[in-house]
Amino acid sequence: EDKVVQSPLSLVVHEGDTVTLNCSYEVTNFRSLLWYKQEKKAPTFLFMLTSSGIEKKSGRLSSILDKKELFSILNITATQTGDSAIYLCAVDPGSSNTGKLIFGQGTTLQVKP
Amino acid sequence: DTAVSQTPKYLVTQMGNDKSIKCEQNLGHDTMYWYKQDSKKFLKIMFSYNNKELIINETVPNRFSPKSPDKAHLNLHINSLELGDSAVYFCASRLAGSQYFGPGTRLLVL
Repeated sequence: EDKVVQSPLSLVVHEGDTVTLNCSYEVTNFRSLLWYKQEKKAPTFLFMLTSSGIEKKSGRLSSILDKKELFSILNITATQTGDSAIYLCAVDPGSSNTGKLIFGQGTTLQVKP
Repeated sequence: DTAVSQTPKYLVTQMGNDKSIKCEQNLGHDTMYWYKQDSKKFLKIMFSYNNKELIINETVPNRFSPKSPDKAHLNLHINSLELGDSAVYFCASRLAGSQYFGPGTRLLVL
């Protein structure tokens, strides 16, 4: 069965810290891996990764994929209280062109002032 | 504004009632989805439509029936609501691999 596992499940840090969130997956096929940030409402899209070893970067956030070891990490440097959210990892198993995403259980990040 | 929108945002109802949630996207996307997010924040896909055609139908009770009158709309009708249906329901639409989510409908069944 296709599966996505995130770790840690929750994390508390102080402003200015750097955090690394992990996402590992087991799927029969693989098309892409996506990261989302969910604050109080809808998940908002952060990154889509399809190739190993190519870092995607947006401000203080960056992410990379390892298709050999079947995982991805999301890094946040110089964290701010506004980074507090649930971070969701999802994989498109690509077995059909439906775009079906399999989500991990999320990592809840709390950044304290 | 270009977006995925859902109505209502909140829905409180009694067990046994029938209710509908509406979703609209003006992004021009062909594929739309319904997800359920439970109390542990786990997001699970329920249905997907591509150009008004059902393409994903996960193991969901048949009390849930999606309807897509056109490719910009995907509504969700739920019959005979049960306590376990309480959750946040998200609509999403897809372009080029990434999905864009609506604000969610928080359903509470009493």
